[in-house]
Amino acid sequence: NAGVTQTPKFRILKIGQSMTLQCTQDMNHNYMYWYRQDPGMGLKLIYYSVGAGITDKGEVPNGYNVSRSTTEDFPLRLELAAPSQTSVYFCASSYSPVGEGNTEAFFGQGTRLTVV
Amino acid sequence: GNSVTQMEGPVTLSEEAFLTINCTYTATGYPSLFWYVQYPGEGLQLLLKATKADDKGSNKGFEATYRKETTSFHLEKGSVQVSDSAVYFCALQHPFFGGYNKLIFGAGTRLAVHP
Repeated sequence: NAGVTQTPKFRILKIGQSMTLQCTQDMNHNYMYWYRQDPGMGLKLIYYSVGAGITDKGEVPNGYNVSRSTTEDFPLRLELAAPSQTSVYFCASSYSPVGEGNTEAFFGQGTRLTVV
Repeated sequence: GNSVTQMEGPVTLSEEAFLTINCTYTATGYPSLFWYVQYPGEGLQLLLKATKADDKGSNKGFEATYRKETTSFHLEKGSVQVSDSAVYFCALQHPFFGGYNKLIFGAGTRLAVHP
């Protein structure tokens, strides 16, 4: 099973450029999440979605946008890249809210983004 | 606010050594607690969890006990293997308004096991 697939794995952007981090899952999960991990810090939630057509902000949404047109895909858009967005980005999905019952979050391999 | 604090790494051990990775948390209410592991080149995957006080989560020889009195969820393994080399993340479930839960993560602890 593919699980959660993120592309690209690595990217270097110049300040002011834009890009989209792709995330797709083949488990028919309703819930999808984008996290970022800065060096020495825990993962912080950027945006999440509870189903197609529904998205909401997490802890650190500024500078990002998301969409959820299908159950499978949850792309993360950076419109004007800034050095502060240098980080490792993780996409995750779950069948129901994480922590509820036996729900487990499944993560992609991560995208390492550097903004110079 | 709610937070998770893990011991800093890297932790370097010889094969068959005993492992402890400390995790403490700050949270209102009664969170669920998790350990996730990230092997090289892979995404995070759930290692074990505990959903209420005094519960013990276990998997692949790893254990962690939910201690409400000390707000801790330390990860232990009696005899580590080279294949256990990875980054370990402690996390808690944070229920918030609307019922949509999210995970709050610690910074991660890198474990390196040498033959």
